[in-house]
Amino acid sequence: EVQLVESGGGLVQPGGSLRLSCAASGFTFGPYWMHWVRQVPGKGLVWVSRVSPDGRGTNYADFVEGRFTISRDNARDTLYLQMNSLRGEDTAVYYCLRDLYWHLDLWGRGTLVTVSS
Amino acid sequence: QTVVTQEPSLSVTPGGTVTLTCGLSSGSVSTSDHPSWFQQTPGQPPRTLIYNTNIRSSGVPDRFSGSVLGNKAALTITGAQRDDESDYYCLFHMTGGNWVFGGGTKLTVL
Repeated sequence: EVQLVESGGGLVQPGGSLRLSCAASGFTFGPYWMHWVRQVPGKGLVWVSRVSPDGRGTNYADFVEGRFTISRDNARDTLYLQMNSLRGEDTAVYYCLRDLYWHLDLWGRGTLVTVSS
Repeated sequence: QTVVTQEPSLSVTPGGTVTLTCGLSSGSVSTSDHPSWFQQTPGQPPRTLIYNTNIRSSGVPDRFSGSVLGNKAALTITGAQRDDESDYYCLFHMTGGNWVFGGGTKLTVL
């Protein structure tokens, strides 16, 4: 089955860190750009970051402010998002998506990150 | 930072036609912004409807169509059905590599 499965979410204190993972299966992971998108429950979608197929090219939304790092391991078919200096406003469901030539077509089911003391 | 503007809410009657739009604070939308459209129902991840302005994603019914209308991206639903009642989001690819979502449109079918 072609799918993306996110993991690594949970409860973390403000200022803490968390690493999200997104495992790809059922398709060849390497050629795709990969993205992270987040959504506060009940609110809209917000683009977070993307990484190029070889992992060398990255882009981030302005609000990341150097706190998050996107990366990938093509040998393991896995995407990552390292999140540091977490704030309450980072509380959201985080989705990973694949992208081939501006076609973001496959979404995971998301993992919930809650930043709270 | 570019802001993407969508209608907060729209309604359509079953069988009717409705057009949702997305505008850019930076100026007119063009196909080089690669507009995409997504549908989301409560409790579910989004589903991709349209990419690269007007290409339907696999399995999307042809009652959904995308275009650039004037200076905005548009999603038109022709012959709306009750299960089209959802939240709809547009997404643009910005110069420099970032992407930006619109705030979403809540579509009611009544």
